[in-house]
This record gives sequence, structure tokens and C-alpha cells, in this order.
Amino acid sequence: NAGVTQTPKFQVLKTGQSMTLQCAQDMNHNSMYWYRQDPGMGLRLIYYSASEGTTDKGEVPNGYNVSRLNKREFSLRLESAAPSQTSVYFCASRRQQGAYEQYFGPGTRLTVT
Amino acid sequence: RKEVEQDPGPFNVPEGATVAFNCTYSNSASQSFFWYRQDCRKEPKLLMSVYSSGNEDGRFTAQLNRASQYISLLIRDSKLSDSATYLCVVNDLNNNAGNMLTFGGGTRLMVKP
Repeated sequence: NAGVTQTPKFQVLKTGQSMTLQCAQDMNHNSMYWYRQDPGMGLRLIYYSASEGTTDKGEVPNGYNVSRLNKREFSLRLESAAPSQTSVYFCASRRQQGAYEQYFGPGTRLTVT
Repeated sequence: RKEVEQDPGPFNVPEGATVAFNCTYSNSASQSFFWYRQDCRKEPKLLMSVYSSGNEDGRFTAQLNRASQYISLLIRDSKLSDSATYLCVVNDLNNNAGNMLTFGGGTRLMVKP
């Protein structure tokens, strides 16, 4: 049981390039989330998917798109990367009922130059 | 005003010391509360949930004061391995996602020999 996995672990992009961050969970969780973490800012929610087939904006969605490919996978796409998107990106998942805690993947460190 | 506020620290304590962190939250309708631990360059991991009656897990004790809207974490007999950043996390009901987590910026603890 791997929990939540993310790829890649590290990425360097030039301004204007695009890329997709991948996330998968094997815990049969319904809800999945994408966060970014910047120094002194705490984790901020970018997008979430309450269940397969639905996605919604979080606190900081601009510049990102997401796809809930199936129950296991939730990807985050940067269409035209900007230096302000340099951050650590975490994916998380949660069971739908009864429990509110979330479980995180190991993160992707993204640098945009 | 931030929704979840923590003293960023760092708290520098000797091994064996008792240390306490506080956290305040702004949304009086918040429903569930957690402490997460985050090691340097790693993902956040659930340390413990915080219940209204207070709860203890080994050397860790969490308390919730709904009237004053603050949460505390007490660590007794600090170990070197307790060195980490401790995130205060609050769950708020969101009609679309069922719940959303709001993260504090974290309190950094450094336990010295």
C-alpha cells in the first residue's frame, strides 16, 4: 500500500513552458486535493476533487488546471509556467465519510526560471 | 487576519524539556481540529486529532478551547526526533467538498542535546 504518490519529485521549467504533475492514491479515497506550500505562507489549496468526475477551485487556482482521470488519479497542469509558481506542490486524499484528515504525497519541488 | 495563526518560532529547547504551542482560529463554525507534523523537505503527516475533551497520545497532549478559539499542543520529555515544524489545521464545512482544511503557517521546534 503506497498511499499517495507523486511524480516527478523535482522539476525545473523555463517561463512559458508547460507541464503536468501526477498524483495517484491506492487507498480508495473519494476526495483529492492539490496544495502549494511557500515559505511563511502555509499550505494553500489550488484545486480539489470531492469525488470522481468533479473538480472545483480552491484558494489559489489561477494559472492551473486539473483533471480527475479516475478515482485513483488527480493531475495538476501548468499551461504556461511563471516564476511565481515556483513552490512545493503536495497532493492529498481523504475518505469521503466520517474522517476529515487528509493524507499527503511526498511533494514535487518546482522551480520556474 | 489569517484564518489559522501560529507563532512561527523557532522554539529551541533542550532534550527532556516540556514545550507547548498554541494556535488560534478565526472561524467559530470550525468543526474538526488537527496537529500535523512536517519534517524538513517532507510532506505533512497527521500527528493527532484534537477533541473537545482534550486527548493524549504518549508524550503529546492536545487541547481545544472553543470559547476562545484556540488549540494547544504540549510535548513532554522532548526528544531530538521531535525537531520538526508543527502545523495547526482546522476543518471547515464546505458545501461542495464536504470539508476543507485550513493550515496554519507552522511552528518550528528544535530540540537540542
